[in-house]
Amino acid sequence: GESVGLHLPTLSVQEGDNSIINCAYSNSASDYFIWYKQESGKGPQFIIDIRSNMDKRQGQRVTVLLNKTVKHLSLQIAATQPGDSAVYFCAQEDSSYKLIFGSGTRLLVRP
Amino acid sequence: EAQVTQNPRYLITVTGKKLTVTCSQNMNHEYMSWYRQDPGLGLRQIYYSMNVEVTDKGDVPEGYKVSRKEKRNFPLILESPSPNQTSLYFCASSSGGVSPKQYFGPGTRLTVT
Repeated sequence: GESVGLHLPTLSVQEGDNSIINCAYSNSASDYFIWYKQESGKGPQFIIDIRSNMDKRQGQRVTVLLNKTVKHLSLQIAATQPGDSAVYFCAQEDSSYKLIFGSGTRLLVRP
Repeated sequence: EAQVTQNPRYLITVTGKKLTVTCSQNMNHEYMSWYRQDPGLGLRQIYYSMNVEVTDKGDVPEGYKVSRKEKRNFPLILESPSPNQTSLYFCASSSGGVSPKQYFGPGTRLTVT
């Protein structure tokens, strides 16, 4: 597989536990935030997004929380599965549909 | 199936030999973009296009060209590749609007020797 980040922060969780991946963003004027999942050898895949007029949004097994006061975004994955092992990126809309990506977090799921 | 395709997926070339990486999307998206991904640096935008014949520079445009003659295609051109352009390249497209999530292609691994 391909290595997308040799020095990524890594989160290791037990299968079945909940995972929380955190992200600090820089542009307080951003109106749109998004989480992507990238598996080895593949392109980033959309997970969930949220607009700045919300502080929480839920999907299937995933929840995104937005704290605009401290410019913090988090992704919660319930009942983590081996297939959730990947690198996770947060991104914020800058302008003109431009996304600014974080450096990513590697999630490892222990069986 | 809605998708973004890129070709080639892997390419090894030599310094100075012009190359083109193709990108095509079948979702009728107006917005398309190219990124490069390097260890420790994340995804950085090279060029983007808001619509046909409308392109603009991203964060790292030096050494690259793009064109948008048709809505579905957005090729990335390296006129004279150099070793520092060795990277993993992704094309993405988006419909824009209130949910500008971008859909990514599978990536092109380029090595310039």
